[in-house]
Formats: sequence, structure tokens, C-alpha cells
Amino acid sequence: AQSVAQPEDQVNVAEGNPLTVKCTYSVSGNPYLFWYVQYPNRGLQFLLKYITGDNLVKGSYGFEAEFNKSQTSFHLKKPSALVSDSALYFCAVSLPFSNDYKLSFGAGTTVTVRA
Amino acid sequence: GAVVSQHPSWVICKSGTSVKIECRSLDFQATTMFWYRQFPKQSLMLMATSNEGSKATYEQGVEKDKFLINHASLTLSTLTVTSAHPEDSSFYICSARDATSGPRKFFGPGTRLTVL
Repeated sequence: AQSVAQPEDQVNVAEGNPLTVKCTYSVSGNPYLFWYVQYPNRGLQFLLKYITGDNLVKGSYGFEAEFNKSQTSFHLKKPSALVSDSALYFCAVSLPFSNDYKLSFGAGTTVTVRA
Repeated sequence: GAVVSQHPSWVICKSGTSVKIECRSLDFQATTMFWYRQFPKQSLMLMATSNEGSKATYEQGVEKDKFLINHASLTLSTLTVTSAHPEDSSFYICSARDATSGPRKFFGPGTRLTVL
């Protein structure tokens, strides 16, 4: 079974400060890892993914994430947060070559960036 | 990037009626489509996976007779909530992938269903 944990329900930061959203995973094998963002009453927007290669992955809107195999983590980061980054963030994992790359999502972290 | 649309974006219906939600891939052929359900401020729960031309594979606990999924073409999948009840009120999201997109999936904007 595969699972994803987002230990923080909410993250609050001031605009201009660094933003980190934590994610840990528990899967057997080498996972594919994803971050998505969701704005109210909208679908999910893809931010970035880790498949293989460089552990630091750069994605959309200035976000990046670092894959840490020893800690089984894939934390999302942004050096300088914007008010418009306020949204719900989901980490997700899938196993390669299985079940159409079925995704398991974390519970989500609500990010609030205050002006 | 690839675009997935859903129709309608929101729907209100009476208890006991059936509601059909469409999911379309606009600029690619979706060999596989996924249907999710999301309760307020909660995560997405996978309901079923459908491959074009095949019967959908439902997740454990999802009633296949209540949530009818059809994936008749490479650009269209439908989810029909039959005999809807208030507890079926939720946000339904579809996603799709094609044979070349690997593990990445493209998500629709979601459909808000409210059953009175």
C-alpha cells in the first residue's frame, strides 16, 4: 500500500517570507511524487513532479521540492511567498508501472500568506 | 498543456433524481480517466479508474450501481450519480492521462453537486 502524509493542516506565513509545505511518503519501491495546488471550487493544478534524477525539482510559479529518499520526504518550498499563493496544497504519490499510475493524495495543507 | 473540462461546473438536483457529469479531454486522447470525490476541506478520494472501451474499476467501498462510469471514447468519460441523495453532495473531479504522459495526470476543474 502507498500512503502520503502531510503533517500540517495549515501553514501561515507573511508575504516575502520562505514557505515550506511538508510531505512524507510510505511506499515500497521507487515512487513518483507530485505536488498540486487547488484554489477554492477549482480543480487541481500541477506544480511539479519527481520521477528520477536530480533530487531538487523546480516547478511552476517559483515552487521547488526536494526529494529525500533517506527521510522519505518531498517537501515543497518557495523562497518568497506571495499572497496569491494562499491555497490548498496536495502531495501525491504513485508507483511506476502499476494501476495506471494511480495517485494517492495526502490530506492537504492550507497555506495562508498574509500581506 | 493538456486541458480537461468538466460539465456542468455545478448542479443542484432533487433527491431521487440522477445526474450526469461529463469529463472531456480537449486536446489529447485520454486512454485512462479517473474520478475523484472531495468533501469540503478534505483530500481527494479516488472513486474509479476507467480505460477507454473497458468497464471501470471501482475502488473498495464505491457502489458501482450508484456511480455509473462510462468511457466510450478517447475524449469523453461520464459519471452518472443515480438516485442521488443529500449524502452524495460533494465536489467531483476527473483527471485524465494519455499513453505518452507517463504518470502525470491532467485534472478537470471539478463539478459541485448539491442534492436537496
